[in-house]
Amino acid sequence: EPEVTQTPSHQVTQMGQEVILRCVPISNHLYFYWYRQILGQKVEFLVSFYNNEISEKSEIFDDQFSVERPDGSNFTLKIRSTKLEDSAMYFCASSERGREQYFGPGTRLTVT
Amino acid sequence: AQSVTQPDIHITVSEGASLELRCNYSYGATPYLFWYVQSPGQGLQLLLKYFSGDTLVQGIKGFEAEFKRSQSSFNLRKPSVHWSDAAEYFCAVGDLLTGGGNKLTFGTGTQLKVEL
Repeated sequence: EPEVTQTPSHQVTQMGQEVILRCVPISNHLYFYWYRQILGQKVEFLVSFYNNEISEKSEIFDDQFSVERPDGSNFTLKIRSTKLEDSAMYFCASSERGREQYFGPGTRLTVT
Repeated sequence: AQSVTQPDIHITVSEGASLELRCNYSYGATPYLFWYVQSPGQGLQLLLKYFSGDTLVQGIKGFEAEFKRSQSSFNLRKPSVHWSDAAEYFCAVGDLLTGGGNKLTFGTGTQLKVEL
């Protein structure tokens, strides 16, 4: 069964550094998303991406964040200058027709 | 804005007993509703979904959920729980985006413990 994959599973970085989280969505899916879950809190929507552009972003998704689909298979989330409060589990999700979303296993980002 | 409430933070049931996890939502139109399960160290797995039509929906692993518009609820049920069902369960509502797709708003989750 096709799955969303994410790399790395765990990333440790120093405050102020740039990080890129990578996702490979399910191959025939057209809608792509990033969510995050700070430890002990709800899963929160960050951004949605369709037709090579952002279709919606949350208040969390400020200028420090960007997304890209550099080729036909990868979908990346970049945080330009990480802060301590960016420490969280980041989930990528994809959807074929924009309804149900399938999630990857997540990348745990730790900012020190 | 849409919201989801899961009133039970923790639930403990005995193996073989029935289960009901509560979910209430707030949304202006007919909602897309979902239940996801998260095992420790794992991602979110889609259990079931409701878009329209029959208000009782079947999902994977023997789970079902019933959409009740009058109560703004979408409770998850299973007739007989297995030890492997111990996990965290999240209810979510989908908000359609004008640019395409939908964004999910999640509840705080219910941690299910199964006693043998």
